[in-house]
Amino acid sequence: ILNVEQSPQSLHVQEGDSTNFTCSFPSSNFYALHWYRWETAKSPEALFVMTLNGDEKKKGRISATLNTKEGYSYLYIKGSQPEDSATYLCAFIDSGNTPLVFGKGTRLSVIA
Amino acid sequence: DSGVTQTPKHLITATGQRVTLRCSPRSGDLSVYWYQQSLDQGLQFLIQYYNGEERAKGNILERFSAQQFPDLHSELNLSSLELGDSALYFCASSAQGSYGTDTQYFGPGTRLTVL
Repeated sequence: ILNVEQSPQSLHVQEGDSTNFTCSFPSSNFYALHWYRWETAKSPEALFVMTLNGDEKKKGRISATLNTKEGYSYLYIKGSQPEDSATYLCAFIDSGNTPLVFGKGTRLSVIA
Repeated sequence: DSGVTQTPKHLITATGQRVTLRCSPRSGDLSVYWYQQSLDQGLQFLIQYYNGEERAKGNILERFSAQQFPDLHSELNLSSLELGDSALYFCASSAQGSYGTDTQYFGPGTRLTVL
């Protein structure tokens, strides 16, 4: 059973702070990594799909990097705003035929 | 709003019963995915259909089955329900059948409560 770990489990930051969190996955095989943003009482919203070692993706103030050799991805949020408060999930897949495995998420709270 | 619709929003039923959850993908999307989110677990992938055919299978119980119809909507059938099947069931859709690399768009979910 593949293990996808996200850290920290939860995070409280002040408005305007920049923050980052980690998704760790097995580095033996890699196919793709997904990042999702999940606000309370809503459904997960896709942020990025990353497929290549060294990939860097950006969407507004949110960016992500990928290191498949060492088995981690970072998600960065620059200048956090209260509306960034959500759970950020990563999901890993090691081949085209295996299930997408989700981490348990990092819950971010941005305090105004 | 992702464009994926799911009905019903809430469902309360008894153990041993059978229910059907329905999902309509975004216009033009060919793939539909089903996920289960229980209280103590993360999101668990159940199954994917692409253009009517089963494409990938995850941790789906034998009591559960799904299908995708010619109009591309999908149904997830859950039978012989147990208390432990109480969960939030999400449907997602994507444009193609590239299971691992397509961006998936999630619906609002169906909350199933088994009493």
